[in-house]
Amino acid sequence: GAVVSQHPSWVICKSGTSVKIECRSLDFQATTMFWYRQFPKQSLMLMATSNEGSKATYEQGVEKDKFLINHASLTLSTLTVTSAHPEDSSFYICSARVRANSPLHFGNGTRLTVT
Amino acid sequence: DAKTTQPNSMESNEEEPVHLPCNHSTISGTDYIHWYRQLPSQGPEYVIHGLTSNVNNRMASLAIAEDRKSSTLILHRATLRDAAVYYCILRDVYGGSQGNLIFGKGTKLSVKP
Repeated sequence: GAVVSQHPSWVICKSGTSVKIECRSLDFQATTMFWYRQFPKQSLMLMATSNEGSKATYEQGVEKDKFLINHASLTLSTLTVTSAHPEDSSFYICSARVRANSPLHFGNGTRLTVT
Repeated sequence: DAKTTQPNSMESNEEEPVHLPCNHSTISGTDYIHWYRQLPSQGPEYVIHGLTSNVNNRMASLAIAEDRKSSTLILHRATLRDAAVYYCILRDVYGGSQGNLIFGKGTKLSVKP
């Protein structure tokens, strides 16, 4: 149980376009989901915390107008990278939890390449 | 969040036990010790977590020092599929900061056939 599905697994887009990444909890409801970013050979960095029905909480240094997060239902959160640039190329990973103190379950990530 | 210290890398031979250490000298009384691992090009995967007592599950064992300032993740028989980066993370028992995890650099485990 506790499966998190992320789509797409990889995407290539042109500079200036926008890309939407979906994160779904398949067999549980997630009031809170988390979005991470990982550059090559580095660790995961938390970008934002997504709460169902309310605005996301962004970490310091993450532009909320560039990385739009929507958490419209208890099983779906989306991350939209707007006006993407090559420096936004990275591995984006979402995660969700069943309860406040339960382990996090991660999606398999989305590899974004901006050309 | 309290910080953890892990070796950058470790090597193991296939089918031998592996002991991955983690130091967390500033751990607080309400911090759980969590272990996750990340295989290449995948999202992290939960391995195990504990508070005070040693813990066992189908994937691994977690040995926690009596003073809780260090812990060891034990893989009883390493396989090639266990090659991954292993992260030791402290997380407040109440799921503080809405339950997110702050990742350090982890230990890259290589398994030789």
